[in-house]
Amino acid sequence: AQKVTQTQTSISVMEKTTVTMDCVYETQDSSYFLFWYKQTASGEIVFLIRQDSYKKENATVGHYSLNFQKPKSSIGLIITATQIEDSAVYFCAMREGQGGRALIFGTGTTVSVSP
Amino acid sequence: GGIITQTPKFLIGQEGQKLTLKCQQNFNHDTMYWYRQDSGKGLRLIYYSITENDLQKGDLSEGYDASREKKSSFSLTVTSAQKNEMAVFLCASSIRTGPYEQYFGPGTRLTVL
Repeated sequence: AQKVTQTQTSISVMEKTTVTMDCVYETQDSSYFLFWYKQTASGEIVFLIRQDSYKKENATVGHYSLNFQKPKSSIGLIITATQIEDSAVYFCAMREGQGGRALIFGTGTTVSVSP
Repeated sequence: GGIITQTPKFLIGQEGQKLTLKCQQNFNHDTMYWYRQDSGKGLRLIYYSITENDLQKGDLSEGYDASREKKSSFSLTVTSAQKNEMAVFLCASSIRTGPYEQYFGPGTRLTVL
């Protein structure tokens, strides 16, 4: 069965520092895709970054990067040089490789960035 | 680029009432989804539609019906609203093949009195 687990409920950091949040997943598929989404205070959900299971390189987009540790079924999100507007709930999600599948979401990690 | 619109933004109903939520997308995406988000929790899949005339049940489909009227629109019906039910219903869409990240609408907040 598929499962995505985010154990950190909330994290507080100071502006301009780095925040790291964890996510572990369970799947039987050899091919899968891992995503991170951000939900702002207004409720808007925005796609941030994706890691394909067959790629060894960690994905990077802007100040978001991933720490993909396949043997540990782990996909951490790293945000560098945090800004106040990075305060949000961050969701990890997974989709197995077959077509037409929906996302399985974790329960989210709330990040608060203080000046 | 494109956009997903959901109507209404807020929906207040009575217990036992049948309520319909609507979603439209102009990404020209094949696949559309309905998720439910309860306060402080993650998203759970209710229904999705891979293409027109297709419907697939998610883990939370009991108590709901869905309809994919055309490629750009996907409706969700709460068949009998439950008292004290409060959640946000989120519509999303994606292309059918490949990694296909999903794009989300702004949500419909449901309150049942």
